[in-house]
Amino acid sequence: DTAVSQTPKYLVTQMGNDKSIKCEQNLGHDTMYWYKQDSKKFLKIMFSYNNKELIINETVPNRFSPKSPDKAHLNLHINSLELGDSAVYFCASSQGTGPYEQYFGPGTRLTVT
Amino acid sequence: AQRVTQPEKLLSVFKGAPVELKCNYSYSGSPELFWYVQYSRQRLQLLLRHISRESIKGFTADLNKGETSFHLKKPFAQEEDSAMYYCALHTGTASKLTFGTGTRLQVTL
Repeated sequence: DTAVSQTPKYLVTQMGNDKSIKCEQNLGHDTMYWYKQDSKKFLKIMFSYNNKELIINETVPNRFSPKSPDKAHLNLHINSLELGDSAVYFCASSQGTGPYEQYFGPGTRLTVT
Repeated sequence: AQRVTQPEKLLSVFKGAPVELKCNYSYSGSPELFWYVQYSRQRLQLLLRHISRESIKGFTADLNKGETSFHLKKPFAQEEDSAMYYCALHTGTASKLTFGTGTRLQVTL
């Protein structure tokens, strides 16, 4: 009965590789997000999708490409990984684009070596 | 541009002592403010929001527009309150949440 799930939980890879993180929500929400939490625990929004359409792109390098095949899924693909991409990535969802509660996934810890 | 400031990285209090986690914001529009909490090994979750004006787990937060603050308070800290607390500001129609840098609350015996 997990509301927002992410796979994988941990991802260790080398610089230059391409990797994907998947996110699924079963709450029937219209809006989904990707956040990055750095080593100092600072949480920053990367992308937001509403009804499969991109509505927020916070000047993220274009090596990061989100894809929303349907309202319940928002995947994050990262090309040519760099050391600075090491972080915890959180997916979240909310019922709409207003000031609604956001429900977070458990996070994916990405380590680039 | 909007900004959320949480001046304390770590706040350590004794069990039973009052707690105040500070949050200040900068935003030219009408703010919608939230507190989110992350307990150890758990996901980030909403603690409370200013529009509902409720008390959750004994915590309250009042929006002070004059001081642009939304401090989180609890009269008597419990061990289970130990967690990472984030203040967040919702802006615009695109549902953007801007988070503060977080404050780790440590409640000791």
